[in-house]
Amino acid sequence: QKEVEQDPGPLSVPEGAIVSLNCTYSNSAFQYFMWYRQYSRKGPELLMYTYSSGNKEDGRFTAQVDKSSKYISLFIRDSQPSDSATYLCAMDEAAGNKLTFGGGTRVLVKP
Amino acid sequence: DAGVTQSPTHLIKTRGQQVTLRCSPKSGHDTVSWYQQALGQGPQFIFQYYEEEERQRGNFPDRFSGHQFPNYSSELNVNALLLGDSALYLCASSLSSRDTIYFGEGSWLTVV
Repeated sequence: QKEVEQDPGPLSVPEGAIVSLNCTYSNSAFQYFMWYRQYSRKGPELLMYTYSSGNKEDGRFTAQVDKSSKYISLFIRDSQPSDSATYLCAMDEAAGNKLTFGGGTRVLVKP
Repeated sequence: DAGVTQSPTHLIKTRGQQVTLRCSPKSGHDTVSWYQQALGQGPQFIFQYYEEEERQRGNFPDRFSGHQFPNYSSELNVNALLLGDSALYLCASSLSSRDTIYFGEGSWLTVV
């Protein structure tokens, strides 16, 4: 069993819909949680960075962390075709340490 | 402000050969990590360099080695290439252990 599980998708939504992404993990030592966006054949781009449990909002993006359930989520409001990409969750036991990634979820936002 | 830069962008090598990939960290960052991302998978941690020393290592064989220079730039070397080494190699940088991790665009390695 992988340390971080993520549904590979693809997840297809119409433009303007809310995109809901999630990851589950098994390592209770993870304290830092990140979401990266990766366009085809490009490097991952950091979207959200959260420490411990709770919610964080940044523009159209909301990240949620529930450490008791070992479950994290990312919501994208008012989705746009430019949001079509692979979304990777990543976790770390200590800041700037080493990241453990999920396999990524491919998202398609259709005009 | 330049982000993380990597070279070369793409390269093709023959099985058994050796390859060197290069990385310049984001300005002000002193820690460099390398990740391997196979097609359709998430990146996997190879190792991390800080103050020219390998600080942490993932589950990769000794064929994978690295180096960090005094200006914080880094190299990843892979010896005795296997077909399974074909992947996107990502360099990431951060400021010690108190900062978020930023990635470069990667180097695409194809082993034939």
